[in-house]
Amino acid sequence: NAGVTQTPKFQVLKTGQSMTLQCAQDMNHNSMYWYRQDPGMGLRLIYYSASEGTTDKGEVPNGYNVSRLNKREFSLRLESAAPSQTSVYFCASSGDRSRGTEAFFGQGTRLTVV
Amino acid sequence: AQSVTQPDIHITVSEGASLELRCNYSYGATPYLFWYVQSPGQGLQLLLKYFSGDTLVQGIKGFEAEFKRSQSSFNLRKPSVHWSDAAEYFCAVGHYNTDKLIFGTGTRLQVFP
Repeated sequence: NAGVTQTPKFQVLKTGQSMTLQCAQDMNHNSMYWYRQDPGMGLRLIYYSASEGTTDKGEVPNGYNVSRLNKREFSLRLESAAPSQTSVYFCASSGDRSRGTEAFFGQGTRLTVV
Repeated sequence: AQSVTQPDIHITVSEGASLELRCNYSYGATPYLFWYVQSPGQGLQLLLKYFSGDTLVQGIKGFEAEFKRSQSSFNLRKPSVHWSDAAEYFCAVGHYNTDKLIFGTGTRLQVFP
């Protein structure tokens, strides 16, 4: 009964390094999301995927890329990390929105770029 | 475009007092509305949601919220706050024809004994 699993939980990067944040869900959900959380700014949507094979930009997509590898997995890549990308990143998934399902969240990845 | 406003950044209440957290949204059609709670260092947990029907919805931990279309609001209430309710609360808006889910900036609740 894992729900949404994110890895890693913590990461420190140097400016210019790249990395991929992994996310997997076991609830057979179609939709998946990546958010970043910064103090005073709430959760801002980076990218989302309504179904396998599709991705769309959210509010703050610049500097990120995503891959919906299959129905279970949705990864977020930082090609060249910048200090402004220091944040807590959350992955989420949801079922059929027309049926009223809510989003379920992972425990977050705390990323520091130095 | 969808947007969510939580006007109160930080609220402090005494244990046992009543609570109301404000949420206003901007959307062209009747939205789906959610309240989530986040304890320090944790992910987000759903408190309650509104999709249709009765505009007063009940959630977990004794919380309720009322959808008021005329005021574009979905305020969260609790009659008597417990110290364990100290956390950050987020309002979110979605819609059946989009998979976007947009969050407000959050309200941090502090509870004094």
